[in-house]
Amino acid sequence: DAKTTQPNSMESNEEEPVHLPCNHSTISGTDYIHWYRQLPSQGPEYVIHGLTSNVNNRMASLAIAEDRKSSTLILHRATLRDAAVYYCILEPEYSGGGADGLTFGKGTHLIIQP
Amino acid sequence: KAGVTQTPRYLIKTRGQQVTLSCSPISGHRSVSWYQQTPGQGLQFLFEYFSETQRNKGNFPGRFSGRQFSNSRSEMNVSTLELGDSALYLCASSPAGSYPSTDTQYFGPGTRLTVL
Repeated sequence: DAKTTQPNSMESNEEEPVHLPCNHSTISGTDYIHWYRQLPSQGPEYVIHGLTSNVNNRMASLAIAEDRKSSTLILHRATLRDAAVYYCILEPEYSGGGADGLTFGKGTHLIIQP
Repeated sequence: KAGVTQTPRYLIKTRGQQVTLSCSPISGHRSVSWYQQTPGQGLQFLFEYFSETQRNKGNFPGRFSGRQFSNSRSEMNVSTLELGDSALYLCASSPAGSYPSTDTQYFGPGTRLTVL
């Protein structure tokens, strides 16, 4: 399976933008880039995903490098509620036959300072 | 729409016992996956059920089993509990189990199992 590399932790100030990097140099052409986050004492929650183009939703933006070997999750204005572990996950495009489960790495522990 | 619910939220067992955890997916979701989360190993995939059939299984011993009912509710069972089974057990549901390209997974709050 293609692997991802993320910093163990990052710190940011409230109401400032946060850029969370993820390296995935062995990504294959059909791998989607997913981001999930896990708030304290909760299950993971979906944030965003993309394949080649940059993506935006109400939670965040995903910037994907042109060679797809890295990506960045952007939180435009961090709040204290965004303090969580953020997971960058590669998953192949579904081709039928059942779900193999998400492969979570260690993730980045994001700390937000008030 | 109600989210994924898991019961019980906390459980304490002793070595050698068995335990059954329950998961109710989001209404209309047919796929249920189970994960184990520990500080050392992180989040690991246990198995996935769709329409009462186990479609995939992670690398866990046979002591870990599960099933899914016709209403999509799922249970997982761990027999002959070991100290290392202490973990947060998470359930996730998705509409058709065809993620990542069309589905996303919705996780429950988890069941915290402590084995003494």
